[in-house]
Amino acid sequence: AQSVTQLDSQVPVFEEAPVELRCNYSSSVSVYLFWYVQYPNQGLQLLLKYLSGSTLVESINGFEAEFNKSQTSFHLRKPSVHISDTAEYFCAVINNAGNMLTFGGGTRLMVKP
Amino acid sequence: GAGVSQSPRYKVAKRGQDVALRCDPISGHVSLFWYQQALGQGPEFLTYFQNEAQLDKSGLPSDRFFAERPEGSVSTLKIQRTQQEDSAVYLCASSLVSTEAFFGQGTRLTVV
Repeated sequence: AQSVTQLDSQVPVFEEAPVELRCNYSSSVSVYLFWYVQYPNQGLQLLLKYLSGSTLVESINGFEAEFNKSQTSFHLRKPSVHISDTAEYFCAVINNAGNMLTFGGGTRLMVKP
Repeated sequence: GAGVSQSPRYKVAKRGQDVALRCDPISGHVSLFWYQQALGQGPEFLTYFQNEAQLDKSGLPSDRFFAERPEGSVSTLKIQRTQQEDSAVYLCASSLVSTEAFFGQGTRLTVV
């Protein structure tokens, strides 16, 4: 069995400030890790993913996440946020069988001017 | 279309009514998934198809929930005798490879 914990349900931050959204997972087997973003009234969009190789992965819009096996974490960071980053962010894992994603409860990022 | 399409976008049902939610996956995607997202929570897995075969239905909450994908393309999630606790957003996703799932915009079901 696997599970994902996102400790912060809401993260308010001012525009151009740095942000970190925390994600911890538990699994008895190797997993692949994902961050999805959900803008208001839209579906989930893949932001970035870790499959193997370099533990630091980046998205095209400035987000990055680092896989830390010893701490079973996959925190999402951005050095300077924009108003347009306001959204719900979901961390997820997928098992080796690849037949289902297990999501965390989500973190609402609220960027204020 | 270019993405996963779900219809209707919004559905209001009276308690006890049957509903059917449709998902049009991306053309050629073998795998199709249904998830349920309750208000303020993350999506939870319901069921998984590979082509027309339903390989995993362990997430379906009760026998009132039924999903099908008869020709390996369009899928329908049916909920019989809807209850208030069924109110949620129902998300469909499709994928060609397991590590790249594309989600539709979802159907928001409200049971009154």
